Amino acid sequence: DTGVSQNPRHKITKRGQNVTFRCDPISEHNRLYWYRQTLGQGPEFLTYFQNEAQLEKSRLLSDRFSAERPKGSFSTLEIQRTEQGDSAMYLCASSSRTSQETQYFGPGTRLLVL
Amino acid sequence: ILNVEQSPQSLHVQEGDSTNFTCSFPSSNFYALHWYRWETAKSPEALFVMTLNGDEKKKGRISATLNTKEGYSYLYIKGSQPEDSATYLCAFIGGGSSNTGKLIFGQGTTLQVKP
Repeated sequence: DTGVSQNPRHKITKRGQNVTFRCDPISEHNRLYWYRQTLGQGPEFLTYFQNEAQLEKSRLLSDRFSAERPKGSFSTLEIQRTEQGDSAMYLCASSSRTSQETQYFGPGTRLLVL
Repeated sequence: ILNVEQSPQSLHVQEGDSTNFTCSFPSSNFYALHWYRWETAKSPEALFVMTLNGDEKKKGRISATLNTKEGYSYLYIKGSQPEDSATYLCAFIGGGSSNTGKLIFGQGTTLQVKP
């Protein structure tokens, strides 16, 4: 399967713990996005990478959130000191070339903070 | 603040019915509109990317139209089947995000097709 993959698919953690999610985009896609979806809402943009450079971050991305894309391949999203409000589906997407190209989504990581 | 609205929020139809949903978005500074289908426990699947006013796109029994001047897009499903049951999302890219491709999503329309 050459689609976008995300790990883990599910994560349950206690408030205050740190969590890290991984996204493997479609190979050769230079654009990578993270979105977050909470119940009853559409996905919300978190951050965007072009190759290894993080070019845009949403104001939703507090200082507890950090994302990296070393070497322009896979990406990680870390949440420090998790809060119950962080419970959501975290989606990763990748695309090539231009911003009018289709973004291909992974299956998401569902986070539950107890 | 850019607002993308979808209606209805949910829809229940019988197998064989045709149906349509609406996505409204800011009419100024338009760059592109995406439609996705998202089935439970799967990845959102891209349906269409629409960029020009008057665009009409078709994929099997699903089609979409775009009116950028008035800021709306319609998604049509002809002869709904149970496998069409999913949440349908539209997502807008404004001119200010033309470099990044940041998607602004509506809240989705959830379709249930009863056999």
